[in-house]
Amino acid sequence: QPVVTQPPSSSASPGESARLTCTLPGDIDVGSNNIYWYQQKPGSPPRYLLYHFSDSDQGLGSGVPSRFSGSKDASANTGILLISGVQSEDEADYYCMIWPGNACVFGGGTKLTVL
Amino acid sequence: EVHLVESGGGLVKPGGSLRLSCAASGFPFSSYSMNWVRQAPGKGLEWVSSISGNSGYISYADSVRGRFTISRDNAKNSLFLQMNSLRAEDTAVYYCARDSSASYWGQGTLVTVSS
Repeated sequence: QPVVTQPPSSSASPGESARLTCTLPGDIDVGSNNIYWYQQKPGSPPRYLLYHFSDSDQGLGSGVPSRFSGSKDASANTGILLISGVQSEDEADYYCMIWPGNACVFGGGTKLTVL
Repeated sequence: EVHLVESGGGLVKPGGSLRLSCAASGFPFSSYSMNWVRQAPGKGLEWVSSISGNSGYISYADSVRGRFTISRDNAKNSLFLQMNSLRAEDTAVYYCARDSSASYWGQGTLVTVSS
């Protein structure tokens, strides 16, 4: 299965914005794929946050605050999770996921620390 | 309310077998594809297998193909994962998740493969 790359760690202070990235391998076009994002806190299952295909085709999971949003950087072949106004409760692991074909692929995850 | 409850995990010796179950409620089960996703201790998420609503489409990760079998019983709103020839590296919490977005997750069941 292809490798989807996420930085192992990131940090943000409360009230700041956090930008988490999900880089696809060169043979998979970010523009052609939905990017799904999940949040996982210790001892809990993952929680679906949102999917992003384009600015006109995206959606938040049930009960997910609107300060979570997605975007893409086509030049970097990267999906992006943006958390506006980071709160202490946002400290967690974040995973991206794609379906590039018949198989689903998760990124390695990013641990977000709220300073 | 969507509810997914996994069961069947436990301690098994290398080479042994185990059958996991996922009981679903709160949605029309047969209308949704289902997935198994696992997480080794301290590691990230790894997709294992998916099955369409009518069982007509099934896919597996390379790491489990030929050893694991996914199935479902729509009359009983249940998803299964038959795991054979288990290895130490299959040790993980196994989650069932609904649909291609993995929009809902169960709490997981722990499988430990050890002699």
